[in-house]
Amino acid sequence: DAGVTQSPTHLIKTRGQQVTLRCSPKSGHDTVSWYQQALGQGPQFIFQYYEEEERQRGNFPDRFSGHQFPNYSSELNVNALLLGDSALYLCASASGRAREQYFGPGTRLTVT
Amino acid sequence: EDQVTQSPEALRLQEGESSSLNCSYTVSGLRGLFWYRQDPGKGPEFLFTLYSAGEEKEKERLKATLTKKESFLHITAPKPEDSATYLCAVQEWENNNAGNMLTFGGGTRLMVKP
Repeated sequence: DAGVTQSPTHLIKTRGQQVTLRCSPKSGHDTVSWYQQALGQGPQFIFQYYEEEERQRGNFPDRFSGHQFPNYSSELNVNALLLGDSALYLCASASGRAREQYFGPGTRLTVT
Repeated sequence: EDQVTQSPEALRLQEGESSSLNCSYTVSGLRGLFWYRQDPGKGPEFLFTLYSAGEEKEKERLKATLTKKESFLHITAPKPEDSATYLCAVQEWENNNAGNMLTFGGGTRLMVKP
């Protein structure tokens, strides 16, 4: 049973560029959430997708956008990258509105 | 506004030395409290969900408990392989059909020395 997968594993971008991160949910899950985790801190909620729509959003600027595909996989896009966007980006999946969320290994983004 | 605070920030134990990690929270209505384990550079690994005050869950050397204001993660006779960051998160009941976001604390970094 495949768990949550994310790609790429690591990414280095220059300030001002745009980046796209990808996530495939755990088998049987249809809800995908994205979190940002700065070094030494707990994850912060970015947004959640269900039925291809953004269902809930955290306190992040519009530079952060996303998409969910019919197969439930998801993308996180970040425009006009800032140095402060350097972090571990985590994807979590769940079944419907089930309480438990299961996380992928994350994508380490470094902005220089 | 939801708030989750974990203490201590870091904890060093000798192998076999039992201890507890604390997670205090303030939410309007608790839908669930979650404990995760996170190894360096990896994603959080789900450990427990607690739903209501008085509930307890156990897994190997770990036991999680919940009151109306806080949760404890008790570690009995820890081993070096228990070294990791332990994260606590809460989920709040929503009045509308919104999602089920998690609000995390800052984590407790546990180091167990042989």
